[in-house]
Amino acid sequence: EVQLVESGGGLVQPGGSLRLSCVAPGFIISNSWMTWVRQSPGKGPEWVASMKPDGSLQYYGDSVRGRFTVSRDYARLSMYLQMNSLTAEDTAVYYCATQDLMHAFDTWGRGTLVTVSS
Amino acid sequence: QSALTQPPSASGSPGQSVTISCTGTISDVGGYNYVSWYQQHPGKAPKLLIYEVIKRPSGVPDRFSGSKSGNTASLTVSGLQAEDEADYYCKSFAGIKFVFGTGTKVTVL
Repeated sequence: EVQLVESGGGLVQPGGSLRLSCVAPGFIISNSWMTWVRQSPGKGPEWVASMKPDGSLQYYGDSVRGRFTVSRDYARLSMYLQMNSLTAEDTAVYYCATQDLMHAFDTWGRGTLVTVSS
Repeated sequence: QSALTQPPSASGSPGQSVTISCTGTISDVGGYNYVSWYQQHPGKAPKLLIYEVIKRPSGVPDRFSGSKSGNTASLTVSGLQAEDEADYYCKSFAGIKFVFGTGTKVTVL
């Protein structure tokens, strides 16, 4: 069974930055579209960003475009989400997931909690 | 991009069926056959149940089925079981973006 493991969450002040990591097996990092999804407390999931396997294309949700950046490090078997200019509305559990060619998010990590508060 | 509309709650007794609707627009649900459904138990990550409107990943029981008509997709859970009590979310591709539904809490009476 494919396992994705997120890390890097924590408490950050408004206006601050944080970088999340998602570690995945090598064949996943090299060959799969990957995505970040977040879920605020008591709310439904919200798509954040997706990235093509070769890293040549990334696209972002309206609420994070210009503030968040997704990237990959193939040597470290990792995908990252760099989050800048954070606000309280960014408080959520952040999940990484694989995205198949039919646009389904088929494997998910357990998530990492980001809390933006002073 | 507005969230897709789902009823907040649905319920049924064990063995019964429940159907959850997911209403969007021509820009998402109505425009693509890339609707998927996810089940989420408390404290857990969402789990893929249905993709491409009607397809089930391996390991998902055939009690779960999907359909679509126009701008509305539906998930039917037949033969309800206690473990089906969870939150259910639809999701649609919307042309280089994705939109989730508002979510439906299913209660097994």
